[in-house]
Amino acid sequence: NAGVMQNPRHLVRRRGQEARLRCSPMKGHSHVYWYRQLPEEGLKFMVYLQKENIIDESGMPKERFSAEFPKEGPSILRIQQVVRGDSAAYFCASSPPARVTGELFFGEGSRLTVL
Amino acid sequence: AQSVAQPEDQVNVAEGNPLTVKCTYSVSGNPYLFWYVQYPNRGLQFLLKYITGDNLVKGSYGFEAEFNKSQTSFHLKKPSALVSDSALYFCAVDQTGANNLFFGTGTRLTVIP
Repeated sequence: NAGVMQNPRHLVRRRGQEARLRCSPMKGHSHVYWYRQLPEEGLKFMVYLQKENIIDESGMPKERFSAEFPKEGPSILRIQQVVRGDSAAYFCASSPPARVTGELFFGEGSRLTVL
Repeated sequence: AQSVAQPEDQVNVAEGNPLTVKCTYSVSGNPYLFWYVQYPNRGLQFLLKYITGDNLVKGSYGFEAEFNKSQTSFHLKKPSALVSDSALYFCAVDQTGANNLFFGTGTRLTVIP
């Protein structure tokens, strides 16, 4: 039973380019969460999605960032026109339907470096 | 609004000694509380949770945590530390029960051989 899969594990972009981070949840999980971890800081919630729906995007920056979780395929976190401050580890987590276990299962993260 | 405080950035303990990693929280209503551990270059792993019931919660790898409502604390404990316990520990709160976790800034635990 594969865990949460994230790719790429490492991504290097120059300022102004686009970054796309992918997350495949655990089998049977329909909820996906994205978190960002800046160096030496804790995780900051970004967005919570179910299939084809954004449930809570209160942690997403207003510009350049978007997320989707289509009916088929992985969830995508997209960062347009990246800046150096976007350099961070981006973690995806998944869970079964809410109010069942209260546990999130995390992937190993995608580390974005903006040059 | 919900918040979590981990007052210690770093905790050092000798192998075999008991360890405590502190966490206090602030929520309106009854909290759902969690501890996660992060090893280098890895994602977070769930350790334990408090939802309701017994205030002492037992989790993975011999860890336990005590929910104290009057002190709004949820400290992580282990009776005898192992070198392999060295990692970054995060306390988290979920105010709504909808798996929308709010994490503390983390405490780095170092167990000294």
